[in-house]
Amino acid sequence: QQQVKQSPQSLIVQKGGISIINCAYENTAFDYFPWYQQFPGKGPALLIAIRPDVSEKKEGRFTISFNKSAKQFSLHIMDSQPGDSATYFCAASAVGGYQKVTFGTGTKLQVIP
Amino acid sequence: KAGVTQTPRYLIKTRGQQVTLSCSPISGHRSVSWYQQTPGQGLQFLFEYFSETQRNKGNFPGRFSGRQFSNSRSEMNVSTLELGDSALYLCASSVSGRALEQFFGPGTRLTVL
Repeated sequence: QQQVKQSPQSLIVQKGGISIINCAYENTAFDYFPWYQQFPGKGPALLIAIRPDVSEKKEGRFTISFNKSAKQFSLHIMDSQPGDSATYFCAASAVGGYQKVTFGTGTKLQVIP
Repeated sequence: KAGVTQTPRYLIKTRGQQVTLSCSPISGHRSVSWYQQTPGQGLQFLFEYFSETQRNKGNFPGRFSGRQFSNSRSEMNVSTLELGDSALYLCASSVSGRALEQFFGPGTRLTVL
C-alpha cells in the first residue's frame, strides 16, 4: 500500500515538445506529492510539489496535474529543452510531508535537438 | 551555505565486509535521512534521524544501521555486505524532516564484489 507506480521508465522527446510522466498511488494517507529531478552524479533535487486540495500547480514550464479520485498525478514539462534531460522521480508522503517519502522508480528523460 | 556532503564518494568492498558511510548535513539542519538508490528499485528509504534519535525506519534488514551525532552529522553502517547491497547511498538533510525542505547530497557509490 506504500507503493508509488511511475511510468514510463524512459522517454525521448523532441526539443520544444511536451514531456509527460505519470504516477499512481494506493495509500490514501498520502497528502504531499513532490517531484524530484536528478542529473548524473548528483542527488535528486526538489522540482515542484502539490497537495491533494488542488488539481493543478504550475511553476514555469513544469506543471503537476492531480486527480484525487483516481489517485493519480502527472508531471508535464512544456517546451522541453535538452537541459531537461535527467531522471525524474515522483514521490509521496503523509502528514504534510513529515512522514518518510516513498519514491517512484524514476523516468529517464532524454530531450533531443 | 555549503550543501550536504557525503564521504567517501566511491567505495569498493567484498562480500562479508562491513562499511561505514558518512553524511554532513547543511548547517542548521537537524534531520538526516538515508536512501538506497538502485536501477531496479529506485530510491528506497532506509531511516531518518532527528536530534540523534531514529524517528523513521524503512523496510531493510538489521544489517543496515545508522546513528547521528550531536553536531547532526550522521553515519550509516552496513555489516556482512551482500552483492545486492551495491547501490548509490544518498543522504538528505532538512531543518525539521519535512520532505519539502529536504536537500540531497551527491551520494556514495558502493560496489560489492
